[in-house]
Amino acid sequence: QSVLTQPPSVSGAPGQRVTISCTGSSSNIGAYYNVHWYQQFPGKVPKLLIYGTTNRPSGIPDRFSGSKSGTSASLAITGLQAEDEADYYCQSYDSSLSGVVFGGGTKLTVL
Amino acid sequence: QVVQSGPEVKKPGASVKVSCKASGNTFTNYYVHWVRQAPGQGLEWMGLANPRGDSITYSQKFQGRVTLTRDTSTSTVYMEMSNLRSDDTAVYYCARSVAPVAYFDIWGQGTLVTVSS
Repeated sequence: QSVLTQPPSVSGAPGQRVTISCTGSSSNIGAYYNVHWYQQFPGKVPKLLIYGTTNRPSGIPDRFSGSKSGTSASLAITGLQAEDEADYYCQSYDSSLSGVVFGGGTKLTVL
Repeated sequence: QVVQSGPEVKKPGASVKVSCKASGNTFTNYYVHWVRQAPGQGLEWMGLANPRGDSITYSQKFQGRVTLTRDTSTSTVYMEMSNLRSDDTAVYYCARSVAPVAYFDIWGQGTLVTVSS
């Protein structure tokens, strides 16, 4: 059971917009800790996608965006492309656990 | 960048030590974390070493069974796990961050540890 809750799977057609939620609590996301997102392809190393809740590292398309409200965060992907099919993980920090926490991951399928 | 040691096969009850070596100043002034991923499962944070290697924080789940050490002279961080069980079979990653609460911007390539009798 992950501290941060993500839907196991989401799907969308090419060109569509999808969102992936990441729900936490008052000791992590709700405590104003930033949320970070990673993209991982099968058998590959996770790649930083969004940092500091809303920021994109160099080279990440602006089709990817992050937001946060209360104890939840979201990753939005617009203009869905086949190459976006991957697993996505959110990450934050939990003050009660005094450590890093991850969401359980969401598998994105492009129909 | 960051290079981890090779795959390991261990028997239940044994120990394993995985290394994570950075080139140049990749690890200088950065925290180094360990994250594992069991087959078909998600990412699980294990612990971190501060830049000087004199402060280690462990996930409660791994406290007492995992030891992280850091050798700043060789830019290498080690993760040793004892009393291995079959459910410790996973890919183990090291990754750096600028602060304990921050994101991981550089990851090692991962080390597969297989625990099997």
